[in-house]
Amino acid sequence: AQSVTQLGSHVSVSEGALVLLRCNYSSSVPPYLFWYVQYPNQGLQLLLKYTSAATLVKGINGFEAEFKKSETSFHLTKPSAHMSDAAEYFCAVSSSGAGSYQLTFGKGTKLSVIP
Amino acid sequence: NAGVTQTPKFQVLKTGQSMTLQCAQDMNHNSMYWYRQDPGMGLRLIYYSASEGTTDKGEVPNGYNVSRLNKREFSLRLESAAPSQTSVYFCASSVENYGYTFGSGTRLTVV
Repeated sequence: AQSVTQLGSHVSVSEGALVLLRCNYSSSVPPYLFWYVQYPNQGLQLLLKYTSAATLVKGINGFEAEFKKSETSFHLTKPSAHMSDAAEYFCAVSSSGAGSYQLTFGKGTKLSVIP
Repeated sequence: NAGVTQTPKFQVLKTGQSMTLQCAQDMNHNSMYWYRQDPGMGLRLIYYSASEGTTDKGEVPNGYNVSRLNKREFSLRLESAAPSQTSVYFCASSVENYGYTFGSGTRLTVV
């Protein structure tokens, strides 16, 4: 079984400050890892994904994440927060079963950006 | 380029009523999924379909049924709605392990 833990259900940062959203995973096989963003009343949009290539993954909107196997972590960062980054962020790990690729999601971290 | 289309966007049901949530994708993806999202719970998998003609239970299947009508369409049915099924429902599709494409969701309230 796979699982994802997101540390902190709410994170507040000032505009222009570093964004750091934490994600730890457990997996019995090499994982595929994803970060999704959800703006209010919308669906989920893929930010970035780790698929066993480079450990530092760059995504959209200036976000990046680093896969650290020794720490079983995949934290999401952005050097400088913008007001438009306010949203909920979900980390997810992929398993492969019966020909499908089921995603297991963390409970989400709501990011607030303070002007 | 529609991606994943869900209907309806909003629905209010009375306890005991039935309804079907529709989902269609135009990306030729083999796998399709239904999730529910509840505050503080993240997204939980209800059912999935690895390919046309197959369906399997996810984490929270009780009270739901699904049909993979063809490669494009994957519907979710509530036979007798309960207040505990008040949630936002998301359909998604995927090809291999490249991540999901999500629909915009159906907000369901059961009173």
